[in-house]
Amino acid sequence: QITLKESGPTLVKPTQTLTLTCTFSGFSLSTSGVGVGWIRQPPGQALEWLALIYWDDDKRYSPSLKRRLTITKDTSKNQVVLTMTNMDPVDTATYYCTHGNDFVDSHVTHWGPGTLVTVSS
Amino acid sequence: QTVVTQEPSLTVSPGGTVTLTCASSTGAVTSDYYPNWFQQKPGQAPRTLIYSTTNKHSWTPARFSGSLLGGKALLTLSGVQPEDEADYYCLLFYNNAWVFGGGTKLTVL
Repeated sequence: QITLKESGPTLVKPTQTLTLTCTFSGFSLSTSGVGVGWIRQPPGQALEWLALIYWDDDKRYSPSLKRRLTITKDTSKNQVVLTMTNMDPVDTATYYCTHGNDFVDSHVTHWGPGTLVTVSS
Repeated sequence: QTVVTQEPSLTVSPGGTVTLTCASSTGAVTSDYYPNWFQQKPGQAPRTLIYSTTNKHSWTPARFSGSLLGGKALLTLSGVQPEDEADYYCLLFYNNAWVFGGGTKLTVL
């Protein structure tokens, strides 16, 4: 059974850097084709795709947020970390971690429950 | 900037059929965009229904189906149930990045 869980601060101040951790089980990020990504959703708004890292350390980023995002993986800990710099109140959102497998063209299959991050001074 | 467009809202009667569409500002949606469809109910994380245009997961009810028609990706619900009332999002692949549509709020009434 695949599970993912997001963790990190619930409140950050404007201009600070957000660091979120996705801890997963039921799969290995060293398995060919596997990818773990991040998606966010501001309150009452649509989903927004942020970033994805693959088993081979290939990384993809949203063009509009690329300069602020960094995604890394620690295969031994079954974790993926997303950092977002220069946080702003408009970045207030629920952040979701996802799992997929590129080899079967299912790029977003499983979701974590999400974690709400509020940006406020 | 690429924009993915969905109907903001649709209403369907129980037992009826409804089709949700997903269009791209860059032109016709093809299988190369690997269309995905997600369902989200209030207070819950999204759930993946359809991947790579037509493929269902083991948990996807049979009444949901995905297709391409007229340059758009489609999600069709046949025999709609009250529990299908939710927000639905499509996701398309562009040049190493993914873009969500704005979502469709489906009301079953």
